[in-house]
Amino acid sequence: DTGVSQDPRHKITKRGQNVTFRCDPISEHNRLYWYRQTLGQGPEFLTYFQNEAQLEKSRLLSDRFSAERPKGSFSTLEIQRTEQGDSAMYLCASSLYAVPYEQYFGPGTRLTVT
Amino acid sequence: ELKVEQNPLFLSMQEGKNYTIYCNYSTTSDRLYWYRQDPGKSLESLFVLLSNGAVKQEGRLMASLDTKARLSTLHITAAVHDLSATYFCAGLYSGAGSYQLTFGKGTKLSVIP
Repeated sequence: DTGVSQDPRHKITKRGQNVTFRCDPISEHNRLYWYRQTLGQGPEFLTYFQNEAQLEKSRLLSDRFSAERPKGSFSTLEIQRTEQGDSAMYLCASSLYAVPYEQYFGPGTRLTVT
Repeated sequence: ELKVEQNPLFLSMQEGKNYTIYCNYSTTSDRLYWYRQDPGKSLESLFVLLSNGAVKQEGRLMASLDTKARLSTLHITAAVHDLSATYFCAGLYSGAGSYQLTFGKGTKLSVIP
C-alpha cells in the first residue's frame, strides 16, 4: 500500500500528558499537511510543510503543539500538556506542489483526552 | 479568508431519488474538491474541479463548478444505500502559497431503502 499512513490510529491519554503522532506521506509528495477534525465538523487546517520546512501554522496551533518533518519524509505532531479540548481526529494529508494540488488523506489518529 | 458553506447539512432521501448538495464559497478559490467520509474513517477524494464550468461524473455522482457564482454542486442520481456517507466540499486557498484546504461542515447523507 503506497497511501498516506498514520500511527497510532487511536490514542487515549490523561489530561496533562504529552502525545506524539506520526504521519508517513506518499513517498514522492513534497507537501505534507496536518488537519484537525472534531465531531460533526469539517477538517480544519493546522500546519503544512514543503519538504522539511514548516511554512505556515494556523492560529489553532497553540504553543502546546509542535510539528516536525525531519529530512522531508515522515512528520510528527506533538501535543504537550493535553487538554480535553484537544480530543479530535488528527488527519495528515500529502500532495505534490503542482496542479491539481490534490491532497490525499491518511486514516487519521483519534485522540481522546480523559 | 476563504469560507465554505454547504447545504443541506443533513439529507435523508429514498433510494431511487435525485438530489443536489450545494457548496458556496466566499472568495476566489483556485480549485474546488469533493470528498466522501464514512463514519470513523478518513476522507476519500471524489472530484477535483479546476476551472469554471468544469463537470465531473463518477457513477451516480456528478459535480460541477461555477466560479462566477462561487458555487459548486454535487448531484446524486437514483440514490442507492451505498452512497450513505458525509460529503465535504473544500476550496483551495493559495494565499501565501500554502494551498491549504478550507472545508465546509459536510452534508450527512442517509439513503433509505
